[in-house]
Amino acid sequence: DADVTQTPRNRITKTGKRIMLECSQTKGHDRMYWYRQDPGLGLRLIYYSFDVKDINKGEISDGYSVSRQAQAKFSLSLESAIPNQTALYFCATSDNRDISYNEQFFGPGTRLTVL
Amino acid sequence: AQRVTQPEKLLSVFKGAPVELKCNYSYSGSPELFWYVQYSRQRLQLLLRHISRESIKGFTADLNKGETSFHLKKPFAQEEDSAMYYCALGGGGSYIPTFGRGTSLIVHP
Repeated sequence: DADVTQTPRNRITKTGKRIMLECSQTKGHDRMYWYRQDPGLGLRLIYYSFDVKDINKGEISDGYSVSRQAQAKFSLSLESAIPNQTALYFCATSDNRDISYNEQFFGPGTRLTVL
Repeated sequence: AQRVTQPEKLLSVFKGAPVELKCNYSYSGSPELFWYVQYSRQRLQLLLRHISRESIKGFTADLNKGETSFHLKKPFAQEEDSAMYYCALGGGGSYIPTFGRGTSLIVHP
């Protein structure tokens, strides 16, 4: 089955470290997104990309950067991790051919803890 | 600007009771509304979307443009319905959905 996968699934790191979260998809979708989920705050968009050469900031991009290495891969980096970046991170895709529904397909999430 | 409001952080009911999870939106164009569900330790997945006008797992949601609402309803809650529910808004050619903050539904036996 076509899927969205994320690595690692769990990561504990220290303040000041640079880390990368990776997302891969076999759905053939052009659009990819990174969200973070915090209790009481819901899902907030960090970055999104509509194709390989397209990168856009979302609601909370400060402290994060992304790389769209290929249609199927979209990585999120924390340049210098800080404790308030402790959260659950989700990658998602949507189908560029779906002009009506805009349904999002989510990965399993990466639980990041910054000590 | 797009906005989605889910006024309840937590909704607690007993099995067999009716459930209504509220969602209100603010959008100037023609909205597309979705409900996503996240079961414990699982990824978010689409539950239903207004354009399909379907019932999934006994849940329904009707778009009320006059009240700008898209409440999720189920007449008889089941324990397996316990999950986090997110309302999301898209539309007008925008592929950037806006999510509400989510409502945690707990169904007690």
